[in-house]
Amino acid sequence: AQSVAQPEDQVNVAEGNPLTVKCTYSVSGNPYLFWYVQYPNRGLQFLLKYITGDNLVKGSYGFEAEFNKSQTSFHLKKPSALVSDSALYFCAVRANYGGSQGNLIFGKGTKLSVKP
Amino acid sequence: EAGVVQSPRYKIIEKKQPVAFWCNPISGHNTLYWYLQNLGQGPELLIRYENEEAVDDSQLPKDRFSAERLKGVDSTLKIQPAELGDSAVYLCASSLAPADTQYFGPGTRLTVL
Repeated sequence: AQSVAQPEDQVNVAEGNPLTVKCTYSVSGNPYLFWYVQYPNRGLQFLLKYITGDNLVKGSYGFEAEFNKSQTSFHLKKPSALVSDSALYFCAVRANYGGSQGNLIFGKGTKLSVKP
Repeated sequence: EAGVVQSPRYKIIEKKQPVAFWCNPISGHNTLYWYLQNLGQGPELLIRYENEEAVDDSQLPKDRFSAERLKGVDSTLKIQPAELGDSAVYLCASSLAPADTQYFGPGTRLTVL
């Protein structure tokens, strides 16, 4: 089955510290992977995506993500967290077979809380 | 460039009443999506349009939900009649083509009493 798992419901970090939000995926073939962020009462904002090429993908607001094929992971990272990064983060994979081909499959989300 | 526009932002109705949501995608985006987001969950696709054609509506509860995308631009999602369990956020997204990045609107938060 095609799926995405975000094993942590919540991640807490102190401002200025590095942050990691974890994501693992299950899909056959080459994965197309995405990270989105959602602020309260807002829609999802696109952060970055991996299609092919370099395993380290850089995105908006200083975020980056590392694709690891052997571990089927696509963890979101930032070297120095800001209080304003506090939000809900969603990992997604594009389904690449079956009736849902082309559709995004989202994880359940991880709440990031950055404390001053 | 304007983003995806949705209205209304909030809607409160009583059960068994009808409700409709409207979406205007980013100009030039041929693919339009409607998602359902329950509290504490990720979005789940309801229907995907490519131009005027609904190419994937397998997750749309067709007994009470309907959608249309006339002229391949704006889209409307309707629920009739609404049930308590329909309380959720309804998100619209668009992309240039099916394989491109999806951009989301702010969503409509529906509360059914």
